Amino acid sequence: LAKTTQPISMDSYEGQEVNITCSHNNIATNDYITWYQQFPSQGPRFIIQGYKTKVTNEVASLFIPADRKSSTLSLPRVSLSDTAVYYCLVGDMGSGAGSYQLTFGKGTKLSVIP
Amino acid sequence: DVKVTQSSRYLVKRTGEKVFLECVQDMDHENMFWYRQDPGLGLRLIYFSYDVKMKEKGDIPEGYSVSREKKERFSLILESASTNQTSMYLCASSPTSGKNNEQFFGPGTRLTVL
Repeated sequence: LAKTTQPISMDSYEGQEVNITCSHNNIATNDYITWYQQFPSQGPRFIIQGYKTKVTNEVASLFIPADRKSSTLSLPRVSLSDTAVYYCLVGDMGSGAGSYQLTFGKGTKLSVIP
Repeated sequence: DVKVTQSSRYLVKRTGEKVFLECVQDMDHENMFWYRQDPGLGLRLIYFSYDVKMKEKGDIPEGYSVSREKKERFSLILESASTNQTSMYLCASSPTSGKNNEQFFGPGTRLTVL
């Protein structure tokens, strides 16, 4: 399972776009990049997943450059309710029991300021 | 909606006691996981199971065991609780097939060992 590196914390004002970058230099060919969000006193929640280029859903966008050694989670116009810890994970989402194992790092604590 | 429930939100036990943490999911998922979460360390995988009666060690299995007698239920057992097992315990489940191998988390059990 590839190791990821992301900032420990970030601050942002309400209404701004927030970009959280994750580094994963030893990502393997079959690995996908997945982001989870965790609010205090709750379990993590899946946000978005991608393999290459750009993925967008109703919550966020995920940008992945051609070399796939990093990725950026983009949250448009954050609000106070986006204050949470965001985890970047890299792993093979293919076959085999071991592929369902995810490795969570320490995450990035995002604080949204009024 | 997928629902993962854990038997207790808060639990206080004494050193040396045998502790059972129960997790139940209602979506017929094949895979189930137990994590612990500690400040500054993120989520760490203790054990996971990809089928009934099957189990695999995660990153920190020492001091823990698990049981999966039925598909919907995954139990974490602390044979002799110690103070360094005071932590937040999170259970998750995921399907073998389906979108993104997303993991669905329960609300967590905050265990204090005195």
